[in-house]
Amino acid sequence: NAGVTQTPKFQVLKTGQSMTLQCAQDMNHEYMSWYRQDPGMGLRLIHYSVGAGITDQGEVPNGYNVSRSTTEDFPLRLLSAAPSQTSVYFCASSLPGRPNEQFFGPGTRLTVL
Amino acid sequence: DAKTTQPTSMDCAEGRAANLPCNHSTISGNEYVYWYRQIHSQGPQYIIHGLKNNETNEMASLIITEDRKSSTLILPHATLRDTAVYYCIALNNNAGNMLTFGGGTRLMVKP
Repeated sequence: NAGVTQTPKFQVLKTGQSMTLQCAQDMNHEYMSWYRQDPGMGLRLIHYSVGAGITDQGEVPNGYNVSRSTTEDFPLRLLSAAPSQTSVYFCASSLPGRPNEQFFGPGTRLTVL
Repeated sequence: DAKTTQPTSMDCAEGRAANLPCNHSTISGNEYVYWYRQIHSQGPQYIIHGLKNNETNEMASLIITEDRKSSTLILPHATLRDTAVYYCIALNNNAGNMLTFGGGTRLMVKP
């Protein structure tokens, strides 16, 4: 199993640009989540999904969109990048009966200029 | 979610047991104690969790006091690769929980 994979590893955007961070898992996990981690800070939940076709907002959803058309993929879209979105983004997945035993991807380091 | 309190940092000699404490005095009856760690520049890694009984897996042991107000994560034979920030979180078992990591304990394993 590849586990949770994220692409790209690094990305630099200009203010106002849009992009999609990719996340995929091959463990047949129904639960998937997106977090951001700012320097020296803990994780903050952006959006999560409990299964294909179902998404919900976390603590900091503004400026981000998600969709879940398949069990495997959970892309995160930045609609119009802002410097405040400079962060490390982590995707995570878990089994339905174990929502808090999350497997994390390696992260995407995003810089918005 | 109950607030947790951990020491900011700890050192441990390689090969010795690392005992990481966590205080969660306001934990409610349906909240579990979860432990994660984050090695520098990597994603967080789930370690172990428990409700009231002590738990052990291939990575660590978790000792929860009888009143559930505190717990200790034990890495029985720490290695240099165990150097990381360790987070203790109290959560119920529902989807959509935020894994809100607080400050955590920065464990430095020294040769």
